Amino acid sequence: KQEVTQIPAALSVPEGENLVLNCSFTDSAIYNLQWFRQDPGKGLTSLLLIQSSQREQTSGRLNASLDKSSGRSTLYIAASQPGDSATYLCAVPMYSGGGADGLTFGKGTHLIIQP
Amino acid sequence: EAQVTQNPRYLITVTGKKLTVTCSQNMNHEYMSWYRQDPGLGLRQIYYSMNVEVTDKGDVPEGYKVSRKEKRNFPLILESPSPNQTSLYFCASSIFSGANVLTFGAGSRLTVL
Repeated sequence: KQEVTQIPAALSVPEGENLVLNCSFTDSAIYNLQWFRQDPGKGLTSLLLIQSSQREQTSGRLNASLDKSSGRSTLYIAASQPGDSATYLCAVPMYSGGGADGLTFGKGTHLIIQP
Repeated sequence: EAQVTQNPRYLITVTGKKLTVTCSQNMNHEYMSWYRQDPGLGLRQIYYSMNVEVTDKGDVPEGYKVSRKEKRNFPLILESPSPNQTSLYFCASSIFSGANVLTFGAGSRLTVL
């Protein structure tokens, strides 16, 4: 069964720093990997989706990389801002005999950017 | 605006009183799913639906029912809620299962006393 682990569980850094969030998964046979952002009391917002054939995806100050062979993904946040404070989750599709049917999530990294 | 709408957003109820959390999407998505989120356990899938009249159990289906009579709606039914179903619930949808971006609702915080 696929397991997704995120390290660190929590991170607090001063504004302006570049930072890396880590995600690892046990089964490398994935279609894709998604990074989400969750604000307190809010739903999840998809940030980046990396297909299994891609090595990385970029959106603004965010860059996500994927190394399927090692079962790892990183989310790089450049020039962090207080508005980046949130919980960041990574997720990979789970599979049944008929194909992908939902996501397996990591438990998230709670990020605080200090002004 | 493309979105997934859940109602109610907040609910406090008592053990055994049947309740339904509604979920509706306006994107003509085939795939819909329910998750619950609990501290220390993360997000876990309850049920999912690949299309109208097609539903299947996720990782934690006990105590829940779902139906998919229309493409846009996927209600979550708690026939006899218990305190261990106190949680934050999310509905999500995508064009089709698995390989695409999942759009989440804002969440429904349920407390069962």
